[in-house]
Amino acid sequence: GAGVSQSPRYKVAKRGQDVALRCDPISGHVSLFWYQQALGQGPEFLTYFQNEAQLDKSGLPSDRFFAERPEGSVSTLKIQRTQQEDSAVYLCASHVAAGVTGELFFGEGSRLTVL
Amino acid sequence: DQQVKQNSPSLSVQEGRISILNCDYTNSMFDYFLWYKKYPAEGPTFLISISSIKDKNEDGRFTVFLNKSAKHLSLHIVPSQPGDSAVYFCAAFSYTGGFKTIFGAGTRLFVKA
Repeated sequence: GAGVSQSPRYKVAKRGQDVALRCDPISGHVSLFWYQQALGQGPEFLTYFQNEAQLDKSGLPSDRFFAERPEGSVSTLKIQRTQQEDSAVYLCASHVAAGVTGELFFGEGSRLTVL
Repeated sequence: DQQVKQNSPSLSVQEGRISILNCDYTNSMFDYFLWYKKYPAEGPTFLISISSIKDKNEDGRFTVFLNKSAKHLSLHIVPSQPGDSAVYFCAAFSYTGGFKTIFGAGTRLFVKA
């Protein structure tokens, strides 16, 4: 596709359930980022991939959060044993170049609601 | 510790007038500043950026001003149009600060026809 694609767009989970959120970046984009956006806040950095290598995971809030990008294209963000405070929009962004560029291409986000 | 702050949650402007969105930052090591625009149910889209070595960047109706001594930047939209109604995020990053871009909380702009 022409843009960054995320699925599912909406996910409702019961507390304690595991969820997986998928990101299809723009084809050929080297850099991939995951951000978490709580209601009324700006996006907050979670993790960064350069191709298949996860170079920065300093923003992951706990060890319940795990991200992977095994073949350097599609990425999955997994949240285990979801808690109510995990409710947020999870944004994926990509960029053609490696490293910090700032001018990111974002997907529409996956809105997670934990009951 | 909010490194990028947008203190106005919302702004209302008449169509045709100037919109001025403000942003303050605390980290003097930021190298690059950006503005993103976000419509409901969509992801943020890049709007305009400025390097820390410059004080102004202009792109059509959009101009960003940077005042490093005050650690302040602003986005000017002239003339404002109803289609500009959206949430605007100020963002910044440092080349030595890892791979994260730091975002403000956003300002919702309403442009009234």
